[in-house]
Amino acid sequence: DTAVSQTPKYLVTQMGNDKSIKCEQNLGHDTMYWYKQDSKKFLKIMFSYNNKELIINETVPNRFSPKSPDKAHLNLHINSLELGDSAVYFCASSLGGMTVRAFFGQGTRLTVV
Amino acid sequence: QKEVEQDPGPLSVPEGAIVSLNCTYSNSAFQYFMWYRQYSRKGPELLMYTYSSGNKEDGRFTAQVDKSSKYISLFIRDSQPSDSATYLCAMSASFQKLVFGTGTRLLVSP
Repeated sequence: DTAVSQTPKYLVTQMGNDKSIKCEQNLGHDTMYWYKQDSKKFLKIMFSYNNKELIINETVPNRFSPKSPDKAHLNLHINSLELGDSAVYFCASSLGGMTVRAFFGQGTRLTVV
Repeated sequence: QKEVEQDPGPLSVPEGAIVSLNCTYSNSAFQYFMWYRQYSRKGPELLMYTYSSGNKEDGRFTAQVDKSSKYISLFIRDSQPSDSATYLCAMSASFQKLVFGTGTRLLVSP
C-alpha cells in the first residue's frame, strides 16, 4: 500500500498548456510538500502545507498554484507551461512539520516540448 | 555559494569497499542532518537522521556530523551492488525547510 502516491507518473505536454499533478498520502501526516528536482538532481522545496494552510512558499512563478483540499491531499496546478518547467516533481509528507522525516512519493516526470 | 555542497561523483567502488560520502554547509543554524538514498526513477528515501553533532550507526551505515567544521559524512561498510544509487544529504534548522545537496552518485561493482 503506497504511502505517498502521485499521479500521473509521466506527463508530456506542449508549451503553453495547463496541467495538474495530484498527490495523496495515507500516513496520517498533517504536512505536505512539493519539491522540484532538476536535470542535475538538485532537489528544492517549492511549497509546504500544514493542515491545509500554506506555510512555505519559495520563490516560485505565479504560474504554479498548489491546492490542499484536505490534510491527505496536495495538488499542483501549473499554468502556461514553459520549457524550463521540465523536471521531476516530488510530493512529500511529514508529521507535525518535521521535515526531517519526510516521506517522498515516486515523482512525476514532466516534459514540456 | 550554495548552502550545501556535495560532490556529484560518480563514485565507483568494488563490492565490499568502505564508502565515504560527504557534504559541507555554510548555515550554522542547521541542526538536523539527513541522508537520503534515491534509486533511479524513484523518490528519495530517508536513510539516516542525526540531530546536532556526533555519530549514529544503523547496520552498515554510519552518519557523522561535525558542526564545528560544518561537515557531515555517511560511511557505508561492506558496500553492495544494491547500494548503487544517488545519495543526497539534507539539513534544516529547527522546523524549517529541508535544504538538499546535489547528491553523489555511487556505483558499486560486483
